[in-house]
Amino acid sequence: AQTVTQSQPEMSVQEAETVTLSCTYDTSESNYYLFWYKQPPSRQMILVIRQEAYKQQNATENRFSVNFQKAAKSFSLKISDSQLGDTAMYFCAFRGSTLGRLYFGRGTQLTVWP
Amino acid sequence: EAGVTQSPTHLIKTRGQQVTLRCSPISGHTSVYWYQQALGLGLQFLLWYDEGEERNRGNFPPRFSGRQFPNYSSELNVNALELEDSALYLCASSLSGSYTEAFFGQGTRLTVV
Repeated sequence: AQTVTQSQPEMSVQEAETVTLSCTYDTSESNYYLFWYKQPPSRQMILVIRQEAYKQQNATENRFSVNFQKAAKSFSLKISDSQLGDTAMYFCAFRGSTLGRLYFGRGTQLTVWP
Repeated sequence: EAGVTQSPTHLIKTRGQQVTLRCSPISGHTSVYWYQQALGLGLQFLLWYDEGEERNRGNFPPRFSGRQFPNYSSELNVNALELEDSALYLCASSLSGSYTEAFFGQGTRLTVV
């Protein structure tokens, strides 16, 4: 079975600083996608970034980047130049080619303070 | 292009009643997922429909059911509502036959009193 673990229930960072959110996963599949979603107070789930497992290059989207370590089954999210609007719950998610459904971690609540 | 739309956005029901939630996927998407998010908790997987068929079901009692229509929209039905069913119900859609990202609707906030 697939599992996704986020070991940091809460984190905080000062505006303009950098923060890294951790995620580990367990799977026997070789082809899969990993995602980070954010859920601000509005509760709308927003896709932040995705990583294809067969790509060695880490994905980057503006201030958001990932550190994907396939052998270690680790997928961390780095947010640079944090902004107040980054305050949200962040969910790590896995989707494999065999079972197809999305598996989510329990989330990390990130607070950005001035 | 319209995103995933859910209706209603909010509703209040009495314990024991039945409720139907609706979801329209992004055009071209044939997979629909339902998740329950109770306050302070993560996302609990409910159901996955793909091209009209139920593909997977989460660990929920049979009073949670749903279906997918020929136009790929979906309904989630909950019978005999209990207080603990109060939650945000999220619907997501994705392309079929691939394992790319899913896009979420704004959710339906269900309160059972």
